[in-house]
Amino acid sequence: GAVVSQHPSWVICKSGTSVKIECRSLDFQATTMFWYRQFPKQSLMLMATSNEGSKATYEQGVEKDKFLINHASLTLSTLTVTSAHPEDSSFYICSARDLGRWNEQFFGPGTRLTVL
Amino acid sequence: TQLLEQSPQFLSIQEGENLTVYCNSSSVFSSLQWYRQEPGEGPVLLVTVVTGGEVKKLKRLTFQFGDARKDSSLHITAAQPGDTGLYLCAGGSGTSYGKLTFGQGTILTVHP
Repeated sequence: GAVVSQHPSWVICKSGTSVKIECRSLDFQATTMFWYRQFPKQSLMLMATSNEGSKATYEQGVEKDKFLINHASLTLSTLTVTSAHPEDSSFYICSARDLGRWNEQFFGPGTRLTVL
Repeated sequence: TQLLEQSPQFLSIQEGENLTVYCNSSSVFSSLQWYRQEPGEGPVLLVTVVTGGEVKKLKRLTFQFGDARKDSSLHITAAQPGDTGLYLCAGGSGTSYGKLTFGQGTILTVHP
């Protein structure tokens, strides 16, 4: 149980285009999902908290107009990187919170974004 | 703002050695999670501790939550090359939306 999928696993795009990343909880419902960014050999950096049916909460310094988050259902959250630039290249990871467990988050496999 | 200091940041050891990773904070956490991550993959949950003084064992891994729920440790006995990876501790504040505070991570390399 507690499986989270992420799609795509990797994507290469041109500068100025938008990229959508999907995060799905496969065997449980997640009213809250989280989006992280990770640089090589570093810890996770929380970007935003995605709540089903309401607006996402962004961490300080994260541009909400650039990183659009939509939590349309109890099993799906999407992150859209708009007008991507090379500095947006990174490893993006989502997680989903299982309400039945103690603050445990279950992570997707991540998406490697490369902006040319 | 809650902070979680994780140490050491890097650990390079030989197969068979023991090691301990520490996470310390001045804040109290309602729970403490340990994750292991391999390159190019998402973190995988190893254990959750919620009670002060709690000790959990997972094969050669021993996890401890401090009595005051401000610190935690991960001890690996007789490390193996398969233990190589990034280890992350994360503290839960108990808020309604369950945001976690992550430590800086420990990159463990176990040489054959």
